Amino acid sequence: GQQVMQIPQYQHVQEGEDFTTYCNSSTTLSNIQWYKQRPGGHPVFLIQLVKSGEVKKQKRLTFQFGEAKKNSSLHITATQTTDVGTYFCVLTQGGSEKLVFGKGTKLTVNP
Amino acid sequence: KAGVTQTPRYLIKTRGQQVTLSCSPISGHRSVSWYQQTPGQGLQFLFEYFSETQRNKGNFPGRFSGRQFSNSRSEMNVSTLELGDSALYLCASSFDGLAKNIQYFGAGTRLSVL
Repeated sequence: GQQVMQIPQYQHVQEGEDFTTYCNSSTTLSNIQWYKQRPGGHPVFLIQLVKSGEVKKQKRLTFQFGEAKKNSSLHITATQTTDVGTYFCVLTQGGSEKLVFGKGTKLTVNP
Repeated sequence: KAGVTQTPRYLIKTRGQQVTLSCSPISGHRSVSWYQQTPGQGLQFLFEYFSETQRNKGNFPGRFSGRQFSNSRSEMNVSTLELGDSALYLCASSFDGLAKNIQYFGAGTRLSVL
């Protein structure tokens, strides 16, 4: 079956520092989605990446899809306390419609 | 447009009981997926329903079942509850359940089994 590893599991930063979470798959992916879940909340869609090497930006967030379509990263520049939450990658293996959630990276930000 | 609605928001049950959770998807969405979220295991996929048929299934025991009605509303049932079933149960709707579509999550039902 499809294996997905998301690292790190936890990340604590000082406000203003950068943050990166990585998602790695054992198989080639059709696409990857990223979601954010605030404490006490539910996952909310952030972005979808489809093309090899794709890079998308949303204000301070930068999302990247690897050239081989087996990994992805989410980078936050100059974190703020509003960035607190758990970031999940959601993978779709090539030829499948099943979604596989990474275990998530829990980000805490010290003001 | 109203979002995904899950009821009830909180439930307390005892071991051996059964429970039914409800999910109303966004209007026009035909796919409903259910997930179990626990601190140790993260988000785990239970099953997905599309047009009243279970289309995908995760690795959960037969105590976990679901169904979908003609109006796309879905229910999830857990029988013979165990302590380990305590979790946040999330449902998500999407237009047609294809992987390229966005999943819209409800606020969840927090189940505590005593």
